[in-house]
Order: sequence, then C-alpha cells, then structure tokens
Amino acid sequence: NAGVTQTPKFQVLKTGQSMTLQCAQDMNHNSMYWYRQDPGMGLRLIYYSASEGTTDKGEVPNGYNVSRLNKREFSLRLESAAPSQTSVYFCASSIRTYSNTGELFFGEGSRLTVL
Amino acid sequence: SQQGEEDPQALSIQEGENATMNCSYKTSINNLQWYRQNSGRGLVHLILIRSNEREKHSGRLRVTLDTSKKSSSLLITASRAADTASYFCATEGKTSYDKVIFGPGTSLSVIP
Repeated sequence: NAGVTQTPKFQVLKTGQSMTLQCAQDMNHNSMYWYRQDPGMGLRLIYYSASEGTTDKGEVPNGYNVSRLNKREFSLRLESAAPSQTSVYFCASSIRTYSNTGELFFGEGSRLTVL
Repeated sequence: SQQGEEDPQALSIQEGENATMNCSYKTSINNLQWYRQNSGRGLVHLILIRSNEREKHSGRLRVTLDTSKKSSSLLITASRAADTASYFCATEGKTSYDKVIFGPGTSLSVIP
C-alpha cells in the first residue's frame, strides 16, 4: 500500500541546472499538489492539479513548471535551479467529494539543495 | 492571501496537560483541516471540519470552528510525549476549489 511516492528523496544541484521531481499516487485520487517547506515554516503551495489535464498556480509558482501526466502522476520541474529553491518539496493527493476537497495524503518529501 | 496565522508559534507543556493551538484565516472557506508533522517526515491528516460544522472530536483531539471570527482551535487533551510535533491548519477557500493553503504551524513540545 504505497500511497504517495516521491522521487528522488535527496538531490544536490548546481545553480542553473534543471531537474524534475516525480510524484505518483496509487489511491485513484483526482487532486494532486506540490508544496515547498522551508526551515521553521509552513508549507507553501507551488502548483496543484484538480484533475488529469488541468494545472493551476499556487502561492509561489515562479521558477517551476508542472505536468499532470495522467491521473497517477504529477511532476514538478525546475528549469534553471536557484539557491532560493533549496527546500523540502512535498507532493500530496486528495479525493474530491461533491463540494469539498478531502484530506491530503503526503509523500515523505524530497530534499533539494541548490549550490 | 487565504491563510492567516497560527498561535502560538511554539508551545511547551508537561505530559498530561492539555494543549490548545489556534488558527486564523482571511477568506470564506469550504473546510479547514489540521495536520501533524513529526520532525523530518511528511504531514499526517488529523481532522477535517466543514464550514457548516462547529465542533468535531477524534480521540483526544477536539477541533472547533468559528466562521464569524474566521478562526479554529485544536485541543489535544492529556498530552503525551509522543504528541511532540508541529501542527498545521489548512484551508480550502470557498471560491478556490482544491487550492489548499497551509498556515505557518505551531511547534508543540510535550515534556515527559
């Protein structure tokens, strides 16, 4: 029972390099999310996807792109990494009922360091 | 911004005492959720309360919601050392479906 799986768990990049964080869920959820968490802070929403084929900007989308490849997978891409993008990235998914989003299920996080 | 503040930022109590954390938000919401995060781990869902509900219980947890004051509280009764963690509230705005925004969190330390 995997839930939400993120890869890689750790990554070190040099400024200007690109990379993609992968996320997959096996719970048949329609909504998926990418958040970043900086030391001592809460989670800030980068992008979210309410359903396959749709994506929307969150609170801090600049410097990131996303792809909702299918219902299971939601990837986050850094095209040109900057030191300010050093953070822990969390992917989450949820199922939407008629009028409310449900609880979010989180992955274990991906720790990214940009030198 | 949809989300406001959590209060207090940090809380230290003795085992057996009750812990109360507060969350304020700025816009009308569909629901409010509380999450727990142990150090270095992902977040775990605790309780979801809908905008038409005023109080919910789950084990030692009690959540209240006051939509007129745009605030919620999480009460943990008879705390244990294992309750030591960060606690976050999250809201889904009434006009921004699926956009779930988190607050900065409260760091709770329960001293044995």
